[in-house]
Amino acid sequence: GQNIDQPTEMTATEGAIVQINCTYQTSGFNGLFWYQQHAGEAPTFLSYNVLDGLEEKGRFSSFLSRSKGYSYLLLKELQMKDSASYLCAVFTGGGNKLTFGTGTQLKVEL
Amino acid sequence: SQTIHQWPATLVQPVGSPLSLECTVEGTSNPNLYWYRQAAGRGLQLLFYSVGIGQISSEVPQNLSASRPQDRQFILSSKKLLLSDSGFYLCAWSRVAGEAFFGQGTRLTVV
Repeated sequence: GQNIDQPTEMTATEGAIVQINCTYQTSGFNGLFWYQQHAGEAPTFLSYNVLDGLEEKGRFSSFLSRSKGYSYLLLKELQMKDSASYLCAVFTGGGNKLTFGTGTQLKVEL
Repeated sequence: SQTIHQWPATLVQPVGSPLSLECTVEGTSNPNLYWYRQAAGRGLQLLFYSVGIGQISSEVPQNLSASRPQDRQFILSSKKLLLSDSGFYLCAWSRVAGEAFFGQGTRLTVV
């Protein structure tokens, strides 16, 4: 089966840096995605990792360690609009099955 | 460009009534298709996924079923809704191991 864990909630200050962790135990691995979801809306794509290492994309970076079954999403220069749920998702089944983690609700405060 | 349509946006149904949610994709062929359900404040639970016409993989035993009668059409159904079927239902498509694109979602309330 698939097991993908994230912290339920996090709070950070505007302008700061926050790291959201994701650990996974899956049968096979074909890539890891991070999505952002605002309340009542569909998720939107943030980043993708399939090899170990850091992927940087503006204020957002994502890291993957396949041997440890671990990823994190790093958000820099936090803005109030970054308050949202952040979802980690893993592809298995030859890249055909996409399973999401429990999601982390991030609250950015002044 | 590719687009995904999911309807309706909101739905209120009585317990015991049937359900049919439809999702269609345009601008691509042979996509992987997914149905997810999301409870309030929670992550996305994978219900069904499909890699081709008539090929459905079910992830959790439940009161729902899915069908893919055409390459770019994915339907979520129930014969008799339960209160526990309430939630936010999302359809998505992707290429193999590729970025998933989501429909607008359907908020289902079973009363």
